[in-house]
Amino acid sequence: EIVLTQSPGTLSLSPGERATLSCRASQSVSSSYLAWYQQKPGQAPRLLIYGASSRATGIPDRFSGSGSGTDFTLTISRLEPEDFAVYYCQHYGSSPFTFGPGTKVDFK
Amino acid sequence: QLQLQESGPGMVKPSETLSLTCTVSGGSISSSSYYWGWVRQPPGKGLEWIGSIYYSGSTYYNPSLKSRVTISVGTSKNQFSLKLSSVTAADTAVYYCAPHSSGYYSYFDYWGQGTLVTVSS
Repeated sequence: EIVLTQSPGTLSLSPGERATLSCRASQSVSSSYLAWYQQKPGQAPRLLIYGASSRATGIPDRFSGSGSGTDFTLTISRLEPEDFAVYYCQHYGSSPFTFGPGTKVDFK
Repeated sequence: QLQLQESGPGMVKPSETLSLTCTVSGGSISSSSYYWGWVRQPPGKGLEWIGSIYYSGSTYYNPSLKSRVTISVGTSKNQFSLKLSSVTAADTAVYYCAPHSSGYYSYFDYWGQGTLVTVSS
């Protein structure tokens, strides 16, 4: 089973700032089968990024993903008020699919 | 565009079986394009994949839950179901149904709204 670790646990920033979220895997994630989700309170997760760097349909270009192997990054270039949420990474290259514990982006 | 709706009891007693159904619209449960999955989230905690089923009936489950989980497809009503036996308080969670494709596309791009199931006597 691939264990995902996310850092930091909480990121306190202001609108307009850049957010850099990290996801590290316990072993190499094959073919960059790594996704990122955004979740707001009371809502289901929303797919942002798949294949480590491909934006899902309708996702603004301020969201970008990068990385390979065991180290992956989600970057939000300039935070908008609606971006304050919890972000999860997930690997889907092999069963069991696993999620990271999440990074909360909150207001400074 | 797929739409999904979970349904089932909001409370289950310890040691009993949790049963949920996901109704799919905007697509067919018999489609070869998707696996039909379940993901859960305990209150205030992270996400856990439970398992998935293909339209053919083949299933794969999270090893941590495998001994207690059954996922099945009901093609006559465009639904698929989750059963989790011998539940405890640790199974209290919001349960989401979420389909995914295969291989490179095995991410969850559609989600139901989720249903909270509380395990309590």
